[in-house]
Amino acid sequence: QQQVKQSPQSLIVQKGGISIINCAYENTAFDYFPWYQQFPGKGPALLIAIRPDVSEKKEGRFTISFNKSAKQFSLHIMDSQPGDSATYFCAAKASGYSTLTFGKGTMLLVSP
Amino acid sequence: GAGVSQSPSNKVTEKGKDVELRCDPISGHTALYWYRQSLGQGLEFLIYFQGNSAPDKSGLPSDRFSAERTGGSVSTLTIQRTQQEDSAVYLCASSLLADTQYFGPGTRLTVL
Repeated sequence: QQQVKQSPQSLIVQKGGISIINCAYENTAFDYFPWYQQFPGKGPALLIAIRPDVSEKKEGRFTISFNKSAKQFSLHIMDSQPGDSATYFCAAKASGYSTLTFGKGTMLLVSP
Repeated sequence: GAGVSQSPSNKVTEKGKDVELRCDPISGHTALYWYRQSLGQGLEFLIYFQGNSAPDKSGLPSDRFSAERTGGSVSTLTIQRTQQEDSAVYLCASSLLADTQYFGPGTRLTVL
């Protein structure tokens, strides 16, 4: 019940295309859903996050879409660039808890 | 200011040896987390410290793993009698607010 399932494992997108990464969860107590971006040799860095009271959050080219009834959330990267090539992790945190549960990650490659 | 730092960046050890990994959190951050990142397995929570409270050790995989945090700042993760399956990247994160975690670059541990 604590799992967060992330797909796909890897993704290749052409420059300028839209990258879409999906996550699903079971625990209805989760109330905070961040996405982290990790470049090789670096630690993950917070990219964007959403709470269940909104269905979408946009920051620049990055958008989180949230579907509470389906218990799913997704990251959309518009106009994908080679510099976006990284591993992306979705995560979730339950109310009253401080630890994040992470998905297994998606390796994104944006081809020039 | 300075981010989370970890040392060493790489550690190669022989099976059966003990290792110590160090984390210096962002100054003033009250919460500190240790995660383990194995290839294709995402981030696995190990232990969480919050202020002077008893740590949440629920993620430690065995009693060979332990961690301490001295003076509410620096933390050391110790792995005793290392095994080959302990080979992974060990990540430390700190936070001030409950949600946003800032990660260090990690220590890559290789057990031969």
